[in-house]
Amino acid sequence: SAVISQKPSRDICQRGTSLTIQCQVDSQVTMMFWYRQQPGQSLTLIATANQGSEATYESGFVIDKFPISRPNLTFSTLTVSNMSPEDSSIYLCSVGPGQRQPQHFGDGTRLSIL
Amino acid sequence: GENVEQHPSTLSVQEGDSAVIKCTYSDSASNYFPWYKQELGKGPQLIIDIRSNVGEKKDQRIAVTLNKTAKHFSLHITETQPEDSAVYFCAVRRGNSGYSTLTFGKGTMLLVSP
Repeated sequence: SAVISQKPSRDICQRGTSLTIQCQVDSQVTMMFWYRQQPGQSLTLIATANQGSEATYESGFVIDKFPISRPNLTFSTLTVSNMSPEDSSIYLCSVGPGQRQPQHFGDGTRLSIL
Repeated sequence: GENVEQHPSTLSVQEGDSAVIKCTYSDSASNYFPWYKQELGKGPQLIIDIRSNVGEKKDQRIAVTLNKTAKHFSLHITETQPEDSAVYFCAVRRGNSGYSTLTFGKGTMLLVSP
């Protein structure tokens, strides 16, 4: 399966600031996904990132708050903008290598907002 | 949209016992059912998956069974070991394309006592 690296692995940020999370994959993948996992909760899809097109956001998530880039088939970034304590979560990058292929996850970015 | 219910939310077993986690789903068009294991500080790891044209799949101590008529599927872990302790998530995907998104259950915390 693809090796997925996320940076940073964790961070503590001040309210009102923004943080960009990077996701690097060791092979070209068609689909990249960004999830949020609040403490003790399940995984919620934020958006699907397609190379060469705008990301597709799920209900409740907007581009102004979570801008996403996907410049090539191995890399994506998620920015969490104007952070508040409610944004304290684990943010996970996931990849779907292709049609009928399983979806794999990175180890996540643990974000705390003070 | 798809609704996935997972039970139980917590499960405690003695080492060597079997553990069973069950998920039900609402969309009869769903046809891909993976299970993920998430250890503390890690991202979810795919442990087994099944497609709708198969009723059962086994991989060493882990098996998944699917009842499409009743719209439920289960994870079976035999001869449990302390290292099986983790949070387990079921997921459901509709469609034969990697472009369809996963819907996750709320997770089961499995604790295996020595």
